[in-house]
Amino acid sequence: QKEVEQNSGPLSVPEGAIASLNCTYSDRGSQSFFWYRQYSGKSPELIMSIYSNGDKEDGRFTAQLNKASQYVSLLIRDSQPSDSATYLCAVRGNYGQNFVFGPGTRLSVLP
Amino acid sequence: EPEVTQTPSHQVTQMGQEVILRCVPISNHLYFYWYRQILGQKVEFLVSFYNNEISEKSEIFDDQFSVERPDGSNFTLKIRSTKLEDSAMYFCASKTGTATAEAFFGQGTRLTVV
Repeated sequence: QKEVEQNSGPLSVPEGAIASLNCTYSDRGSQSFFWYRQYSGKSPELIMSIYSNGDKEDGRFTAQLNKASQYVSLLIRDSQPSDSATYLCAVRGNYGQNFVFGPGTRLSVLP
Repeated sequence: EPEVTQTPSHQVTQMGQEVILRCVPISNHLYFYWYRQILGQKVEFLVSFYNNEISEKSEIFDDQFSVERPDGSNFTLKIRSTKLEDSAMYFCASKTGTATAEAFFGQGTRLTVV
């Protein structure tokens, strides 16, 4: 059973702060890792993908991957109230094309 | 920008009735998915479809569910005899054939079984 876990929320940060979201996965063979953002009542929207160990930056977002520790994180710099949403970690294994989602972490950015 | 489109946005049906949820994936994509999200819960995988056949399915996807790609553009999910616990948001997604590609999600169909 492939499991994806995320740090429980809700996570509240003040506007302008750094938000740190964490994710661990059980399938050591996982190869592709994704962060999606989901606003209430809406569909998941891709923020970033990462495949190699290390950091990947895209604007205010940085994804970090450590395959040895089976750990993925997302940092949001200069958090804005519009970043308030649930952040979903999704993992895809080496075989098959199914995406396994974590339960999500709800982020609130306080003005 | 290409997008996955789903219809209807909201469907109300009586318990025991059949429903068909429709999706038009992005045109050059090769993998198609159905996920569901019960209110307040996580996004759960139902089924993936590739090369005109089911490639993977979850335990949720039992004999009451079926998928079809009838005409090369639409991708449908049929629930034969709906139950109250089928009430959820159903998301269709698609991706290219590239192994590392991400999945793009439609806006979802909210299914309410009464």
